[in-house]
Amino acid sequence: EAQVTQNPRYLITVTGKKLTVTCSQNMNHEYMSWYRQDPGLGLRQIYYSMNVEVTDKGDVPEGYKVSRKEKRNFPLILESPSPNQTSLYFCASKFTVQGANGYTFGSGTRLTVV
Amino acid sequence: GDSVTQMEGPVTLSEEAFLTINCTYTATGYPSLFWYVQYPGEGLQLLLKATKADDKGSNKGFEATYRKETTSFHLEKGSVQVSDSAVYFCALKSGDRGSTLGRLYFGRGTQLTVWP
Repeated sequence: EAQVTQNPRYLITVTGKKLTVTCSQNMNHEYMSWYRQDPGLGLRQIYYSMNVEVTDKGDVPEGYKVSRKEKRNFPLILESPSPNQTSLYFCASKFTVQGANGYTFGSGTRLTVV
Repeated sequence: GDSVTQMEGPVTLSEEAFLTINCTYTATGYPSLFWYVQYPGEGLQLLLKATKADDKGSNKGFEATYRKETTSFHLEKGSVQVSDSAVYFCALKSGDRGSTLGRLYFGRGTQLTVWP
């Protein structure tokens, strides 16, 4: 089954403790992206990757890192989480070629930083 | 830059009522337009899409028409059901060549609650 898999689904952590949210897709998509969803703000892009070893900042990259060492994986790293990073996070992927192919989203990771 | 403006919610309707959720956009180039739906506790699912002017996307009784002259992509359904209760997001995929190619821009989301 074609899908984007995020882990964990839920995470509670303390301020400053490094964490990684994993994202994996099995569709051989070139393009992957991370979003955060906050009430009243919709989804905002954190980082995206056009292909292996190609990443770039989205609208709200501060406090986050990503890596793209292989096509299927695109982990989101919070080196020193803070309470303002409490949010619902979504990973998404698609083929890069121009066209109207829709994105495939993961099920989300609800992160709470205390 | 590209952006999407979506009707603020929440929207509360009785079953079988008519639904409209307004969405307008600003974009360079020729964007594609989408509506995504998020049911409680779940991720985003593509509801419908339109790739060029005057295209109509439809799915599950929902419709939206890509209107270039008014830069709009309003979501409509003639008769809503309780099971339609969800958050709806209008989104734009940039058609501008360059680094933003393929990027999705989302509206803020509209919470729809349908009562029996």
